[in-house]
Amino acid sequence: DQQVKQNSPSLSVQEGRISILNCDYTNSMFDYFLWYKKYPAEGPTFLISISSIKDKNEDGRFTVFLNKSAKHLSLHIVPSQPGDSAVYFCAASPKSSGTYKYIFGTGTRLKVLA
Amino acid sequence: KAGVTQTPRYLIKTRGQQVTLSCSPISGHRSVSWYQQTPGQGLQFLFEYFSETQRNKGNFPGRFSGRQFSNSRSEMNVSTLELGDSALYLCASSTASGTFDTQYFGPGTRLTVL
Repeated sequence: DQQVKQNSPSLSVQEGRISILNCDYTNSMFDYFLWYKKYPAEGPTFLISISSIKDKNEDGRFTVFLNKSAKHLSLHIVPSQPGDSAVYFCAASPKSSGTYKYIFGTGTRLKVLA
Repeated sequence: KAGVTQTPRYLIKTRGQQVTLSCSPISGHRSVSWYQQTPGQGLQFLFEYFSETQRNKGNFPGRFSGRQFSNSRSEMNVSTLELGDSALYLCASSTASGTFDTQYFGPGTRLTVL
């Protein structure tokens, strides 16, 4: 049972436009969410996180939105740049349980076209 | 500060053999987690170690095991290798302090089982 789902395996966006990557989760115990970016032959790189006490977190061109009632989070990249082309993973963790177990989605491959 | 390092980067083994992968966390990080990445499956959580104790475990068979040393370095062992064990194995470390914690990944070890 996939508790964290990224239903779009790939996404293409024109340079300068907004990229929106989506992630859905099923476990209501998740209260900490992260986005990672992964280039080929490298490990995932932490991008941005959000806790369940917030509904938005912004860091430069990256903004993560959390809709707890819909169990949905999204990552917005504005403006998109060719260097953003990578696979993006969302991850969730049930922090309140005191554990550090992260559940990852299957990833969305973003291609930013110049 | 040096990042997470993993050795070796690439490994080729045959079915039935065993393999040991190594991970050195970021200095000061006490938690080390291991993940398996295969195409279409995203990152699957294997286990997490903290202060030399396994704190969390994913849904993998007993052929997958690990340990952590007093300097927080960790090893992962897979015995009786199967073709399906071919994957990228990622290690991530974190401080495991405070309420919200971010994991930082190494570049991974690419294991190919023939």
